[in-house]
Amino acid sequence: EIVMTQSPATLSVSPGERVTLSCRASQSVTIKLAWYQQKPGQAPRLLIYGATTRATGIPARFSGSGSGTEFTLTISSLQSEDFAVYYCQQYSNGPAVTFGQGTKVEIK
Amino acid sequence: QLQLQESGPGLVKPSETLSLTCTVSGGSISSSSYYWGWIRQPPGKGLEWIGSTYYSGNTYYNPSLKSRVSISVDTSKIQFSLKVTSVTAADTAVYYCARFVYYGSGSYYWDDYWGQGTLVTVSS
Repeated sequence: EIVMTQSPATLSVSPGERVTLSCRASQSVTIKLAWYQQKPGQAPRLLIYGATTRATGIPARFSGSGSGTEFTLTISSLQSEDFAVYYCQQYSNGPAVTFGQGTKVEIK
Repeated sequence: QLQLQESGPGLVKPSETLSLTCTVSGGSISSSSYYWGWIRQPPGKGLEWIGSTYYSGNTYYNPSLKSRVSISVDTSKIQFSLKVTSVTAADTAVYYCARFVYYGSGSYYWDDYWGQGTLVTVSS
């Protein structure tokens, strides 16, 4: 089983700041890595797939990078609606996916 | 427009079997590129993939849950179902059903669509 580890667990940020979230896989997932955003009471929303490709309708301030075992999600200028929990997910085994434990982005 | 709706009891007694159904509307359950999955989220905690199925009946399970979980698909009813046996309080969670779009090992494309989720509480 591929284990996904995210850091940090919580990030306190002011609006307008640049945010970088990290995700590490226990073995290579090539670029089969997705990022999700989840707000309270809502289902997760797909932001990024293929490590770097934004999903439909996702603003350009969200960008992803990395390959193999190390990945990063960057929010270039944090907006008020971006305060949420972010999860990485690997799909290198197709529909047998695993999620990271999440990073909460909160208001500083 | 695609819609996924989870249904089933909101309260299950310890040691009993949790059963949920996801009804798909506005789309086909039999496409070769679609997988159908269950994910859960205990209150205040992260996401846990439970398992996925294909319209042909192929299934994939989280190794930590495999001994207690079964997922099946009913193409005639355009539904897929989840059963978790011998539940405990640790199985209390919001359960989501989802559609995954995956084109196979040669592609990095991924897309998904989630239901709104349903809270299942395990308590006597």
